[in-house]
Amino acid sequence: DAKTTQPTSMDCAEGRAANLPCNHSTISGNEYVYWYRQIHSQGPQYIIHGLKNNETNEMASLIITEDRKSSTLILPHATLRDTAVYYCIVRVLVDYGGSQGNLIFGKGTKLSVKP
Amino acid sequence: DSGVTQTPKHLITATGQRVTLRCSPRSGDLSVYWYQQSLDQGLQFLIQYYNGEERAKGNILERFSAQQFPDLHSELNLSSLELGDSALYFCASSVGPTGEEGYTFGSGTRLTVV
Repeated sequence: DAKTTQPTSMDCAEGRAANLPCNHSTISGNEYVYWYRQIHSQGPQYIIHGLKNNETNEMASLIITEDRKSSTLILPHATLRDTAVYYCIVRVLVDYGGSQGNLIFGKGTKLSVKP
Repeated sequence: DSGVTQTPKHLITATGQRVTLRCSPRSGDLSVYWYQQSLDQGLQFLIQYYNGEERAKGNILERFSAQQFPDLHSELNLSSLELGDSALYFCASSVGPTGEEGYTFGSGTRLTVV
């Protein structure tokens, strides 16, 4: 079963903020929200993650709703190099092993940044 | 350069053959993960090793096996290759067993089975 729902594709103008939504309405209290991106056939790249609070780093901001059922990844000033597939993933951090604790990728959102 | 090194970058082989893909994790990382990405299946988790021990297993076929050596590098062995095994194979690493801080991926090995 898919744990997250993302739009298949989005466009964004260069220099503008890119807001990528993710729905995770069945998220559990101990599941984190992770975002990765993959630029054409390169290895996926970690962007940011959070549990409850909003998070910001040098790449992006992550806004998680109070009920944690959805989140938005914000790239504040998108550039052409941000064109990629963006993956929203919910996962639990388990100490005892088991594949359910690992990073499971869905289909993601293909973001196209246009000049 | 992510710090995760995968070799070879490209591999072309015939059906029925066996190949070995190699991964050196980022310095200081103890976990290694293997993923397969094909056009129709997307990124599929195969297996994880932590400090030399198998920790988690995903959709890995019985024809595939992996191991992590004392120096922490890992190898993924694919045998009795079929056309459908053609894919990008990515290795990732993280410091601890959960990868809470995020995984660092290598640039992948593109395997073509002809």
